[in-house]
Amino acid sequence: ETGVTQSPTHLIKTRGQQVTLRCSSQSGHNTVSWYQQALGQGPQFIFQYYREEENGRGNFPPRFSGLQFPNYSSELNVNALELDDSALYLCASSPGDKQETQYFGPGTRLLVL
Amino acid sequence: AQSVTQLGSHVSVSEGALVLLRCNYSSSVPPYLFWYVQYPNQGLQLLLKYTSAATLVKGINGFEAEFKKSETSFHLTKPSAHMSDAAEYFCAVSHFTGGGNKLTFGTGTQLKVEL
Repeated sequence: ETGVTQSPTHLIKTRGQQVTLRCSSQSGHNTVSWYQQALGQGPQFIFQYYREEENGRGNFPPRFSGLQFPNYSSELNVNALELDDSALYLCASSPGDKQETQYFGPGTRLLVL
Repeated sequence: AQSVTQLGSHVSVSEGALVLLRCNYSSSVPPYLFWYVQYPNQGLQLLLKYTSAATLVKGINGFEAEFKKSETSFHLTKPSAHMSDAAEYFCAVSHFTGGGNKLTFGTGTQLKVEL
């Protein structure tokens, strides 16, 4: 059984640019959640997707957007990057009948210069 | 609103000693509670979860946690620390956002294991 995978592992961007991060959910999981983990902090919920629809959102501005595809993989897009967007971005998947239990991928480390 | 407080941002124990990492939660509904471990430059690995079944929950790597409603606590323990346990540990509570489930994490506890 393949776990949650994310790409790329590391990324460097400059302020004002746009970035797309990708996530493949664990086999059989139809719910994907995204979290931002700043250095030295706990992860913060960005949003969740279920059956290709946004299913809950945290306190992040609209320049953070996402997609979920029919195969349940997902993208996180961030526009107009700011220095404070530098963080580890974590994707987590969960089965539809047990959404409370989330399994995390290795993350994408984003550095904004 | 749900929240989690982890007491002690850094905990240091000797190899073979008891590990105790503290977590207190606030929740207006019966909570689902989790402990995750994060090794350097990695994602989060689920250690164990409480979902309203047995109050003493056993997880991977010899860890366990006890749900105490009266104390609103979910402390993580391991009888004997191993060098490989050195990592950051996060307690989290799950709750509905009006559609889906989100996890709210504590600020984490860095565990150091010394010889």
